Amino acid sequence: AQKITQTQPGMFVQEKEAVTLDCTYDTSDPSYGLFWYKQPSSGEMIFLIYQGSYDQQNATEGRYSLNFQKARKSANLVISASQLGDSAMYFCAMREGGVDTGRRALTFGSGTRLQVQP
Amino acid sequence: DTEVTQTPKHLVMGMTNKKSLKCEQHMGHRAMYWYKQKAKKPPELMFVYSYEKLSINESVPSRFSPECPNSSLLNLHLHALQPEDSALYLCASSQEDRRDLQAFFGQGTRLTVV
Repeated sequence: AQKITQTQPGMFVQEKEAVTLDCTYDTSDPSYGLFWYKQPSSGEMIFLIYQGSYDQQNATEGRYSLNFQKARKSANLVISASQLGDSAMYFCAMREGGVDTGRRALTFGSGTRLQVQP
Repeated sequence: DTEVTQTPKHLVMGMTNKKSLKCEQHMGHRAMYWYKQKAKKPPELMFVYSYEKLSINESVPSRFSPECPNSSLLNLHLHALQPEDSALYLCASSQEDRRDLQAFFGQGTRLTVV
């Protein structure tokens, strides 16, 4: 079963506008972490933001914020004031904190390609 | 230091060659991972090492052979690869602690098999 779902294969946004990238997840583990990564054409997986399942407040990192709605199992990424350099592939990922050590690897969604237009 | 270092950044190899990819971290992480990523696809898990022991092999062909010589190093030995093995190979590391689920990636090795 798909654990991480990103329903937007591609998104366009005008420069300086805000954009929301959707991510829903599925887990029965009460302990988990949610990640967003940016991957430009160079291939590097750039960490953007992290939200733990027990964190009380939504995570923020500069222009990035994570809209964490636990009951709905969603973890949307909000990028404010988009810049041309934000054009890239964005992946949502989850890591479960289960007892089984081997199962705690990151699981990725299919990604959203964001294009920022001038 | 939250750095995971992968070498080389680029590798071109023939189908009869033997080569190795290297990954190093000094964050004291006891879990290390190899992922394979094809163009326009998400990374796919290949191997997981926990406390230097292989804990997951996601049905990866034997032409890929992982090795974890110590807690800071992770290697991926390549032999008799096929052109379809051309991809970006990513290494990651994390703590083995349910209370700390942060994970960090290296910059990747872009492999081309000719």
